[in-house]
Amino acid sequence: DQQVKQNSPSLSVQEGRISILNCDYTNSMFDYFLWYKKYPAEGPTFLISISSIKDKNEDGRFTVFLNKSAKHLSLHIVPSQPGDSAVYFCAAPAVADKLIFGTGTRLQVFP
Amino acid sequence: EAGVTQSPTHLIKTRGQQATLRCSPISGHTSVYWYQQALGLGLQFLLWYDEGEERNRGNFPPRFSGRQFPNYSSELNVNALELEDSALYLCASISLGQSPLHFGNGTRLTVT
Repeated sequence: DQQVKQNSPSLSVQEGRISILNCDYTNSMFDYFLWYKKYPAEGPTFLISISSIKDKNEDGRFTVFLNKSAKHLSLHIVPSQPGDSAVYFCAAPAVADKLIFGTGTRLQVFP
Repeated sequence: EAGVTQSPTHLIKTRGQQATLRCSPISGHTSVYWYQQALGLGLQFLLWYDEGEERNRGNFPPRFSGRQFPNYSSELNVNALELEDSALYLCASISLGQSPLHFGNGTRLTVT
């Protein structure tokens, strides 16, 4: 049972445009969500998070939106830069800090 | 501050052998998590250790085991290796309740 889903395995965006990465979840008990970014040959690094008491959290070029009724969150990157090319994972804590991850979306930002 | 360190970076084993992977958490972190990332898949939770005790394990067979030492470093052991165990194994550490998890760069295990 995949509790956190990322249905788009890949996304290609032109530099300067907006990148929108989507994530759906099935467990309504999840109350906190995180996004991680992963470059090849490196471990995932934390990017941004959002609590279920909010519907938006912004950090520089990165904004995460949460729609609790739809059990959907999205990560917006604007403007997109070539260095943003990576695999992005959304995640939610299941037990304590144990994170359930989605399968990831590979973002490619081209010039 | 040193991050989470994992060794070795790469490990090649043959089917049926045993593999031992090591992880040193960030100083002050008491919890260690292990994840497996197989090709084309997301991060699958393997094991969680806190204060030397196994707190939770994922849906993996018993031949995946580990331990946490008094200095909070951790070891993951995979016995009777199978070809499908080939994956990137990631370790993460945290002080309990102090989100987020911090990951190491992983050990790439190849089983031939």
